[in-house]
Amino acid sequence: AQKVTQAQTEISVVEKEDVTLDCVYETRDTTYYLFWYKQPPSGELVFLIRRNSFDEQNEISGRYSWNFQKSTSSFNFTITASQVVDSAVYFCALSAYYGGATNKLIFGTGTLLAVQP
Amino acid sequence: SQTIHQWPATLVQPVGSPLSLECTVEGTSNPNLYWYRQAAGRGLQLLFYSVGIGQISSEVPQNLSASRPQDRQFILSSKKLLLSDSGFYLCAWSVRGYTGELFFGEGSRLTVL
Repeated sequence: AQKVTQAQTEISVVEKEDVTLDCVYETRDTTYYLFWYKQPPSGELVFLIRRNSFDEQNEISGRYSWNFQKSTSSFNFTITASQVVDSAVYFCALSAYYGGATNKLIFGTGTLLAVQP
Repeated sequence: SQTIHQWPATLVQPVGSPLSLECTVEGTSNPNLYWYRQAAGRGLQLLFYSVGIGQISSEVPQNLSASRPQDRQFILSSKKLLLSDSGFYLCAWSVRGYTGELFFGEGSRLTVL
């Protein structure tokens, strides 16, 4: 069975601090995809990144970076120099390759990040 | 560009009343469509998905049903709401044939009293 665990329920940091959000996943599939979404107070989920299981290169996008390690089944997300606007709930998600018919995402329970000014 | 809208944004309903939440996608054709529910505690649970008109797959047995009367329209319904149906409902779409990201609507917050 597929599962995504985000052990950190809530994290509070002061602006400009770096923060890492942890994500651990379980799957028996050899081809799978990992995602991160941001949910601001407005409620809409905003897509941040998609990573396939064959690409273990780390990715950086501005202040955001992602570390994918298959050996530990982790896909961690780091925000550098956090800002108040980063305050949101962040979700990690997993999907398996079903031949392209559909794309069912399994979500973790989310991590609430509060950035204090 | 593609957009997704769902309504109503907020709904307060008594127990036993019917429910209809609607979602429409614009700017794309033949999308996969999904309904997720986010209960208190934040986890998102997949309720239904659809790969085409009239094709509905249910992930969790429950008091709800879904329909897809048109290619870009997805409706979530209930004949009689339960207290446990309260939550934040999110509609999403993805490109068919591509295991890519889901794009979510603004969400509908349902409170059953």
